[in-house]
Amino acid sequence: DTGVSQDPRHKITKRGQNVTFRCDPISEHNRLYWYRQTLGQGPEFLTYFQNEAQLEKSRLLSDRFSAERPKGSFSTLEIQRTEQGDSAMYLCASSFDGQGDPEAFFGQGTRLTVV
Amino acid sequence: GDSVTQMEGPVTLSEEAFLTINCTYTATGYPSLFWYVQYPGEGLQLLLKATKADDKGSNKGFEATYRKETTSFHLEKGSVQVSDSAVYFCALSEGGFKTIFGAGTRLFVKA
Repeated sequence: DTGVSQDPRHKITKRGQNVTFRCDPISEHNRLYWYRQTLGQGPEFLTYFQNEAQLEKSRLLSDRFSAERPKGSFSTLEIQRTEQGDSAMYLCASSFDGQGDPEAFFGQGTRLTVV
Repeated sequence: GDSVTQMEGPVTLSEEAFLTINCTYTATGYPSLFWYVQYPGEGLQLLLKATKADDKGSNKGFEATYRKETTSFHLEKGSVQVSDSAVYFCALSEGGFKTIFGAGTRLFVKA
């Protein structure tokens, strides 16, 4: 297993279009997280899955955003009717639900540019 | 809510200089604390962590001590190298449900 994989790495889209990103976590990890990172800022939490259940969503996740993890393995993040303010790096991370606070392993991200 | 504040960058040092990047946190409980590093063109990587008060995390010559009394987790390295140039993020997690990050501090090390 080579780590958390995200696809695509880069996406340029026109305002108003829909986009979908995919994340493949480390295979034995049951927790999966999505974050958004804008230039000069740290990652901001968007949502979190434990297996296939979406357990928490940030208020940053407007109704144009939806995330799924249908079989508790890979996850998708869809943004509908994209806006220029959605331009950011979208990061996926995964961890194993063990004792204490587990380390999150991050993918390299999908950079979205809305023009 | 929980939050992390770290010193603004960029920090520019000469090779072999001493590094300190300050980080303080606000949390309702007893979080675990982390430093992540992001090298140019790469993803976030965990640098070190500490899970309880007075724990010291260390890795690659970097150290940070979990200070509950001052709610701090400052990152230090005795002698930086050009290869340490990166963005460093202080972070906390409570219960492992999400990680809250600081804004990041960019470090430039000159040869």
